[in-house]
Amino acid sequence: AQSVTQPDIHITVSEGASLELRCNYSYGATPYLFWYVQSPGQGLQLLLKYFSGDTLVQGIKGFEAEFKRSQSSFNLRKPSVHWSDAAEYFCAVGALSSGSARQLTFGSGTQLTVLP
Amino acid sequence: ETGVTQSPTHLIKTRGQQVTLRCSSQSGHNTVSWYQQALGQGPQFIFQYYREEENGRGNFPPRFSGLQFPNYSSELNVNALELDDSALYLCASSFKKGGRAPDEQYFGPGTRLTVT
Repeated sequence: AQSVTQPDIHITVSEGASLELRCNYSYGATPYLFWYVQSPGQGLQLLLKYFSGDTLVQGIKGFEAEFKRSQSSFNLRKPSVHWSDAAEYFCAVGALSSGSARQLTFGSGTQLTVLP
Repeated sequence: ETGVTQSPTHLIKTRGQQVTLRCSSQSGHNTVSWYQQALGQGPQFIFQYYREEENGRGNFPPRFSGLQFPNYSSELNVNALELDDSALYLCASSFKKGGRAPDEQYFGPGTRLTVT
């Protein structure tokens, strides 16, 4: 069965500093990988996804992620964090469920705090 | 283009009762997935509906059931509520294109269910 681990429960960075959120996955086949962001009272918004091809993926809001098969990782990065980036971030892997649905399996999330 | 909407926003129920949560899909989408997000956790896949039939199911008991209507809106029903059912319930809609890759899912803001 697939699983996702986000080792950092909470990260604090200063505005303008760089950011890296870690994600490790376990999946037997080619993984379909996603990063979502959730602000308080909001649903999940897709930041970026990796299906195949170039291992460095660009997303919205200046985020990027790099797929490293040898490390089973899909870390999210941003060169300069803005106060509005404070939110919870979820990494997910897409896989077949019991039927033909392709479910998302999420990690437990990383809460990002941005200091002024 | 109307996004995914869910109702109600908040709900308080008593253990043993039944609850129905509702979701309206984004325009043009034909698939609905439901997720349960417990406090401090990532969302967990409950099930998916496509063409008004359950298309896949996660590790949830039969007292979690659903419906999808011809207009692609959906309901999640939970019978015999337990305290552990307290969570944020997220609905996500997508357009099923076929193929191996997961379809991009668009999430609603969720329904916060509290069971006392």
